Amino acid sequence: AQSVTQPDIHITVSEGASLELRCNYSYGATPYLFWYVQSPGQGLQLLLKYFSGDTLVQGIKGFEAEFKRSQSSFNLRKPSVHWSDAAEYFCAVANQAGTALIFGKGTTLSVSS
Amino acid sequence: DAGVIQSPRHEVTEMGQEVTLRCKPISGHDYLFWYRQTMMRGLELLIYFNNNVPIDDSGMPEDRFSAKMPNASFSNLKIQPSEPRDSAVYFCASRWGLAEYNEQFFGPGTRLTVL
Repeated sequence: AQSVTQPDIHITVSEGASLELRCNYSYGATPYLFWYVQSPGQGLQLLLKYFSGDTLVQGIKGFEAEFKRSQSSFNLRKPSVHWSDAAEYFCAVANQAGTALIFGKGTTLSVSS
Repeated sequence: DAGVIQSPRHEVTEMGQEVTLRCKPISGHDYLFWYRQTMMRGLELLIYFNNNVPIDDSGMPEDRFSAKMPNASFSNLKIQPSEPRDSAVYFCASRWGLAEYNEQFFGPGTRLTVL
């Protein structure tokens, strides 16, 4: 069965510093992978997704993610973090039928000044 | 479009009461999802519908939980009787078509507190 692991529960980054959030997935075939962001008191918003092609995916708000099949990873990166990026970030993989998403438990990002 | 609409935004009830959460998906979307979010368990998929038909309800925790989608514009999630451990944020989401091609849109959630 598909699963997603986000090893870091909470990360603190200084404003202006670079960011990398880790995501590992378990899936036999080529996965469809997603990153969502949840701001406090809000629903989830899609940042980016990967389903084929270039393994480096660009998303909204300056985020990017790289799919590495050999490492079963889909890490999210941003070169320079802004205070408004403080939120909870979820990695997800589509189920085998492509009908539903399986989410990791999330990583909370705090941004210090 | 107004996005996925959920009501109420907050619900406080007492143990044993029936709770009904409501969702209006984005017009034209053929998939609808109910999720529950807690600190302990993260974001869990409870049930999802395709063209108003329940496809997978394996995430529904107990018989106390039920969900219906009587038409393409409305779904509800009922908990009867409610218990304190049901306290969580419940999200509804909708999507058109398969996940790899189309974005899944989430509502703002309903924060449920069962006393």
